Amino acid sequence: SQTIHQWPATLVQPVGSPLSLECTVEGTSNPNLYWYRQAAGRGLQLLFYSVGIGQISSEVPQNLSASRPQDRQFILSSKKLLLSDSGFYLCAWTALNTEAFFGQGTRLTVV
Amino acid sequence: AQSVTQLDSHVSVSEGTPVLLRCNYSSSYSPSLFWYVQHPNKGLQLLLKYTSAATLVKGINGFEAEFKKSETSFHLTKPSAHMSDAAEYFCVVSDGGASKIIFGSGTRLSIRP
Repeated sequence: SQTIHQWPATLVQPVGSPLSLECTVEGTSNPNLYWYRQAAGRGLQLLFYSVGIGQISSEVPQNLSASRPQDRQFILSSKKLLLSDSGFYLCAWTALNTEAFFGQGTRLTVV
Repeated sequence: AQSVTQLDSHVSVSEGTPVLLRCNYSSSYSPSLFWYVQHPNKGLQLLLKYTSAATLVKGINGFEAEFKKSETSFHLTKPSAHMSDAAEYFCVVSDGGASKIIFGSGTRLSIRP
């Protein structure tokens, strides 16, 4: 069966520090991969999505970047975190015409 | 490109009364549509999905939604609300294939005793 792993679950980072969140998918090949952010009391904002290795589409200008070094690995990064980067980050995957399957999320607090 | 609009940011109903959460979508193709629920401090759970089969879709916990192409709507309903239904609900659209999935802004459902 397919599973998705996202870590860490919680993270507290100082302003100006780097960020690396990792997401891996098991049990499927060539998934579409997504990074979403959910700010407090807000909906889910699509940050990045990828349809293949090295193919990244950015949805909003921001302080973050994403990479897909392997078919089932999706990484969210930042060189220098801002206070406004705080939020709940979700990784997800889809296959053709399937619903989205989500990781458990990472609660990021930038202090 | 596809988009989705949830018409109400907050809906409040009394326990035992019907629930209606409204969703309109825009899509260039035949879309796939989903409803997700998120309880406080919990992850996202799929309620139901429409992928070009029957237009009336039944989901978990007594929820259902009807795909109406002429109205570009996919409203979520439940005949009788329960206190445990209090949560955030998200309508989601996808054009399928390599297309991205887009979330609505969410509707917070409150249930009055």
